[in-house]
Amino acid sequence: AQSVTQLGSHVSVSEGALVLLRCNYSSSVPPYLFWYVQYPNQGLQLLLKYTSAATLVKGINGFEAEFKKSETSFHLTKPSAHMSDAAEYFCAVTDHGSSNTGKLIFGQGTTLQVKP
Amino acid sequence: DTAVSQTPKYLVTQMGNDKSIKCEQNLGHDTMYWYKQDSKKFLKIMFSYNNKELIINETVPNRFSPKSPDKAHLNLHINSLELGDSAVYFCASSPGGPKPQHFGDGTRLSIL
Repeated sequence: AQSVTQLGSHVSVSEGALVLLRCNYSSSVPPYLFWYVQYPNQGLQLLLKYTSAATLVKGINGFEAEFKKSETSFHLTKPSAHMSDAAEYFCAVTDHGSSNTGKLIFGQGTTLQVKP
Repeated sequence: DTAVSQTPKYLVTQMGNDKSIKCEQNLGHDTMYWYKQDSKKFLKIMFSYNNKELIINETVPNRFSPKSPDKAHLNLHINSLELGDSAVYFCASSPGGPKPQHFGDGTRLSIL
C-alpha cells in the first residue's frame, strides 16, 4: 500500500534562512503529490501539486518542490523563511489506483518553527 | 463566502451521546470527503461521496454514518460516542479524481 514519510516531525529555522521539508513516497509508479499547510485552528490549504508535468513545481507564498523519481522524493523548499510560515506542513499522495476517487494518503506532518 | 463550511466548529459532549457534523460547499464540486485528525495531527480519510454516491468507505466503526442529501452537502452522524472519537474532523471537496481538495476549518469534537 502507498505510504508517505515526512522526515523530521519538527523543523526549526531562523527568519530569512532556507526552509527544507522532506517527503518520500513508497510507490514505484509516480503518484500525484501535494503539499498542504495548516495554520493553527484552520483547515488545510494547498501549497502546490505535482501531476507529472514539470518536475520543479512552484506554489504559493514562495514555496516550491522538486519531484525526483530516482529518490522517490518531493521535498518542499523556500529560500527565505518568514515568521508567517510557522505552521504544520503535510505531504500527501494519491496513487494512480485511487486516482478516480482522489483518496489522499498523508504523511505524519512537519511542524515548522521560525525563530526571529 | 466560505468555500467549505462546517458546523459546529466545536462540539463538546458526553460518552454515549449521538451527534452530527454538517458540511456544505459552494464550489460546485462533485466530490466531498471526511477526514479525521487525531491528537498527533495525523490525518486519515474516512469517507467520500461523488454526486451522492459513496466511493470511499475506510475501516471506520459502524457508529459513523455519512449522509449526502445532495452533492453540495455531506454530513457525518456519530452514534454512541466514545472517548477515542475525540479528534478534529475535516470536510473537504474537490472536482473529483486527483484534483486538489479544498478543506473546511474543521470541527473539534471533545468527548467528556
